[in-house]
Amino acid sequence: GDSVTQMEGPVTLSEEAFLTINCTYTATGYPSLFWYVQYPGEGLQLLLKATKADDKGSNKGFEATYRKETTSFHLEKGSVQVSDSAVYFCALGSGGYNKLIFGAGTRLAVHP
Amino acid sequence: GAGVSQSPSNKVTEKGKDVELRCDPISGHTALYWYRQSLGQGLEFLIYFQGNSAPDKSGLPSDRFSAERTGGSVSTLTIQRTQQEDSAVYLCASSFATTNEKLFFGSGTQLSVL
Repeated sequence: GDSVTQMEGPVTLSEEAFLTINCTYTATGYPSLFWYVQYPGEGLQLLLKATKADDKGSNKGFEATYRKETTSFHLEKGSVQVSDSAVYFCALGSGGYNKLIFGAGTRLAVHP
Repeated sequence: GAGVSQSPSNKVTEKGKDVELRCDPISGHTALYWYRQSLGQGLEFLIYFQGNSAPDKSGLPSDRFSAERTGGSVSTLTIQRTQQEDSAVYLCASSFATTNEKLFFGSGTQLSVL
């Protein structure tokens, strides 16, 4: 069945470092891909999405490109801030509605 | 409020007891989802409601789990004869019914089964 695999955390970075969180997927058809973020004490919220191959989703300085050839949707940010500390979830949407399949989540800790 | 509301925020129960978890979706959202987040695990899909259609129950882990949605709005997730492995955060989300529409999540119910 459809699945999402993302790199294990925690990821610990210093402020202004470059961030990559890897995400790969297995799916039949052409799923939409998402990154959700869970800040401490808050509910999950959509960070960015891409709906077809070669699309790039971006928001708050984060970017991810839908790569069909490598079945990947890696999350990147050029310069992280302490406020980016959170758990990041990669997800795919399949079927005719928004049934999302999530990865295990990657905890990011950014230190000053 | 304007967001998805879940209650209680925390629930501690004894093994074998039944529990009910409540979700109030965002007004106007016709789609409602329940997910489970276990420690160190990703979000596990449980059940999906869309309008008056039959729900997708494919993610419910056992027949001890059931959910209903009354009047197309509030939903209740019921776990009967709770087990320790049911301990997790239960998340509710809602969305408009179109594809690729983002889900709005509640803050979850932390369930602890002793």
